[in-house]
Amino acid sequence: QQPVQSPQAVILREGEDAVINCSSSKALYSVHWYRQKHGEAPVFLMILLKGGEQKGHDKISASFNEKKQQSSLYLTASQLSYSGTYFCGTEAGTASKLTFGTGTRLQVTL
Amino acid sequence: NAGVTQTPKFQVLKTGQSMTLQCAQDMNHEYMSWYRQDPGMGLRLIHYSVGAGITDQGEVPNGYNVSRSTTEDFPLRLLSAAPSQTSVYFCASTQRVGTGRVYGYTFGSGTRLTVV
Repeated sequence: QQPVQSPQAVILREGEDAVINCSSSKALYSVHWYRQKHGEAPVFLMILLKGGEQKGHDKISASFNEKKQQSSLYLTASQLSYSGTYFCGTEAGTASKLTFGTGTRLQVTL
Repeated sequence: NAGVTQTPKFQVLKTGQSMTLQCAQDMNHEYMSWYRQDPGMGLRLIHYSVGAGITDQGEVPNGYNVSRSTTEDFPLRLLSAAPSQTSVYFCASTQRVGTGRVYGYTFGSGTRLTVV
């Protein structure tokens, strides 16, 4: 069962902030975040492991609420280069297979 | 260091034809997967492998076969192509550690398949 992402799409002006959410009905071991630009392959951003840790990369960070099986991706002071579709991927159970959400399309404008 | 290499990049098949999508990685990753991507549906897992000789089904395995005879290669076979298999196919790999948890995936550039 795919994790649920929200919102489906968001438009920002450069410099604004955004939050993308990912939730699952299963107990999760990890949550991955990827960004995909049009016509390209997804690119790994970060992984969060069970334990509620928060990770960051430049002005993009994420959190993982293990009790709620939810993760959020925070984009701060967005740049034009942040435009693309963001996917969360979740790992649950023992099979070590990654299941992706349907994606959030982010557009950053001037 | 090439990463994950997929061939071909584009392919048009007629209904009923068979073909193999190739995937090779040079990072000595144990874990490899095939995904298909359709508009509005994200990436859906077709088959995956946790090592040479070991494969398992994902969410949408029907109509596809895989084998993993070496660590480097993980080909995906379409047995009898159908229009519903028109999609973009991505191969991905990652390293496996300890209890089986994975790190971030490296994706190939994709194969755009059209079945007419």
